[in-house]
Parts: sequence; structure tokens; C-alpha cells
Amino acid sequence: GQNIDQPTEMTATEGAIVQINCTYQTSGFNGLFWYQQHAGEAPTFLSYNVLDGLEEKGRFSSFLSRSKGYSYLLLKELQMKDSASYLCAINQGGKLIFGQGTELSVKP
Amino acid sequence: DARVTQTPRDKVTEMGQEVTMRCQPILGHNTVFWYRQTMMQGLELLAYFRNRAPLDDSGMPKDRFSAEMPDATLATLKIQPSEPRDSAVYFCAIPKSGRRNTGELFFGEGSRLTVL
Repeated sequence: GQNIDQPTEMTATEGAIVQINCTYQTSGFNGLFWYQQHAGEAPTFLSYNVLDGLEEKGRFSSFLSRSKGYSYLLLKELQMKDSASYLCAINQGGKLIFGQGTELSVKP
Repeated sequence: DARVTQTPRDKVTEMGQEVTMRCQPILGHNTVFWYRQTMMQGLELLAYFRNRAPLDDSGMPKDRFSAEMPDATLATLKIQPSEPRDSAVYFCAIPKSGRRNTGELFFGEGSRLTVL
């Protein structure tokens, strides 16, 4: 079985930094993904971690600790267009299992 | 850069009617995933195919749902009979190709189903 937990919603200010956490318990682990989903659209890939540590890609970074079953997505220099749902997903034997998602609202 | 086409984009139907949703990988693909997204349950895996054979459909209600992949350019998800609780957005997704197989998926635009 698997259990993936994320906060339901977060609010942050334009230009600020926000960290979205994801904790997981799973019987199999082949990597962790973060996806972004704007309202009414399909999820799109943001980042992938399979080893412990930080992966940086522009304004977005993702961290993984496999021993703690923990990941976070860090968004810097927030922009209004970053308002979206952020989904944490575990690769479990070739299939992606998603958390409920965190709805991020960026305010001016 | 649409890698997957899904039809219909929007479907409103009445309870008891049959609904068929289609997923067409643009360049053909032997592996397809079907997901369902609702506010309450989030994005749930219904079924997936590898080499066009069903590998796991444990997330799918068997009594009314069926999924097939007749060839690499078409996968279908059928609901018969449909019920109001089936109202959701149904996504199909295909794995990203390449030397590094991480499991990353490309999602289609989804089929929004409303059952009255």
C-alpha cells in the first residue's frame, strides 16, 4: 500500500519563497515526482528525485530524503502564474501514485 | 506539443448511458495509463497497459468499467452503465521515451465527464 501526504492549500506573496512538503509511506519506491497542474489543464512535469539531495531547476528546486520518506518542492521568486496545484507522486514499480495535491495561491 | 490526444474533451450524459473515452498517442505507444481526477479523491490510477496488455486494473470498478488497447495508436475506457459518481476528469498518460526511463508521464488534456 501507499500513503502520500501534502498540505491541502497554501498561500504566499508574489516575489516570496514557498516550500511545499510531501511525506510518504510506500511499499515500493523508484523515485519521486513533482507535477504542476493549472485549473482546467493537465498535470505537467516539474521535477524528479531518485537519490537523496537537492535538484535545482531555475526557480524550482526539489529535495528528497528516502530514509525520512520526505520531499519538498521549493519555489523562489514567486510569480502570479505559479498559482496552481502541485502534486507529489511516487514511482511504485513503474506506475505513478499521486498525492491529493497542494493548491497554491500567490497573492500580489 | 501534444503527445496524446483525448476525446471527447467534454461529455455530459444521463445516468445509465454508455460512455467511451479515447486516448490516441500521437506517435503510437505500447504503454498507456488511465487516471481519474475528482476533488474528493484527487488523481487516482485506474488501469495501465504495457505492450498493449492490461498490467494492472485494480483501481477500476470492474462491474461497469472496461479498458482496451487494440493497437499502439488507440486506447479506450468504457463505462456502462454510467452513474453520477463517475463524474470526473479522465486523463490518459504515456511514459516519456528515452535512455533514462524514470517513469515520467506525459498527460493528455483529459476528458471531463458529467453524468446527470
